[in-house]
Formats: sequence, C-alpha cells, structure tokens
Amino acid sequence: DADVTQTPRNRITKTGKRIMLECSQTKGHDRMYWYRQDPGLGLRLIYYSFDVKDINKGEISDGYSVSRQAQAKFSLSLESAIPNQTALYFCATSDGWGYTFGSGTRLTVV
Amino acid sequence: DAKTTQPTSMDCAEGRAANLPCNHSTISGNEYVYWYRQIHSQGPQYIIHGLKNNETNEMASLIITEDRKSSTLILPHATLRDTAVYYCIVRVEGAGSARQLTFGSGTQLTVLP
Repeated sequence: DADVTQTPRNRITKTGKRIMLECSQTKGHDRMYWYRQDPGLGLRLIYYSFDVKDINKGEISDGYSVSRQAQAKFSLSLESAIPNQTALYFCATSDGWGYTFGSGTRLTVV
Repeated sequence: DAKTTQPTSMDCAEGRAANLPCNHSTISGNEYVYWYRQIHSQGPQYIIHGLKNNETNEMASLIITEDRKSSTLILPHATLRDTAVYYCIVRVEGAGSARQLTFGSGTQLTVLP
C-alpha cells in the first residue's frame, strides 16, 4: 500500500457542487499538507496541519476548506466548485524533514 | 527560505551523467538543500538533501560548493525514466521547523535515447 493515499484519482464535477478530496497516510507523521498544481506551474500550498488541532492557511486557501479527522486523515473540500479550481491536487505528509506525496487527484470543474 | 535559481530545461543522453545546477546565494547557515523530482503528473519524489557536505544515495549525488551558494545534483547514469522536473529547495528543517515546502518552477530534464 502507498504511504500516502488520495481518493479519488480523477473527478469531474459541475460548477457550484461541493466536493471533498480525501487523503490518508501510514507514515505516522503529524504534518499534512494540500497542494495544488496547474499546468506548467510549480506546486502551491492550499492548507497545512501540524497536528489534529492545528489548521493553517497556505498561499491560496480561498474557496477551500480542510478537515483533519485524525493524525492519518486530512480532507480538502471545495464548498462550491468553480472552473478555475480545475487542477491537479496533491496531499503530502512530513516529519519535519523529507516530504512524502500522494499520487494526486485530477479535478475538473465543468 | 532562501530563493533558488535553476535552468528552465536541460537535455541529457541516456547512460550519461546528468548534472543539474542550482544557485542559492542567499542561503543561511541552518538551511538545507533539498532536491525533489516530479515525473509527469505524479506526486513529487524526494531525492536527496544536504547541509554542507556532499551526499550520495542510491538515486543521486549532491555536490554543495564550499561557500554553499550553489549545488549540483548528479544522476550518474541517466535513464529515460529520469525524465522529470527537478526542484531544488532550500529551507530550514527539523522538528522545530514550522515552514511549509515551497516549490519553484524547477528544471525540466529530458533524457534522450
């Protein structure tokens, strides 16, 4: 099994719909992150969490929310999806040193 | 975190060494140099990191200049599967670090047959 698992792998949704992307990790790390990647660009941080009670906004948090349900689970929600949220989304975990990334969720908002 | 500068793209012949440079002239004494790569649309993958000594692992070698203002990632025998975007990142690490990872644009390495 992968260290960081993201579901779904691909999703097409309509404008205005609420959608949740899920992430779970088996690394036992406290720190978890959600990144977004647009074609030809590097990764941009959406939200991050250093433990279950700690949630922090990244550089592009508008239009997104997160939930840290447990040490191993960190979900990203789009409350009302819009087309410019079409992107590749990555979850990551870290022990403060190296980062381990999931395989990504490709989200298309039509 | 210190800013890094990398070439936008590089080519390398299969079987040859790939040398990817990174400038980080504003690096501070407690900042590490990290390298990650991202194969098309997959999650980024950790390669190697170092503080001031050269480092080697099963994937690559990291050469850091004595003044630490630049470094080179070396893939000793590049294969087609090494075609990816390579990111050089400079940051403070360790349990006390509260900083998130910031990716720039990286270097697109293309390994040619």
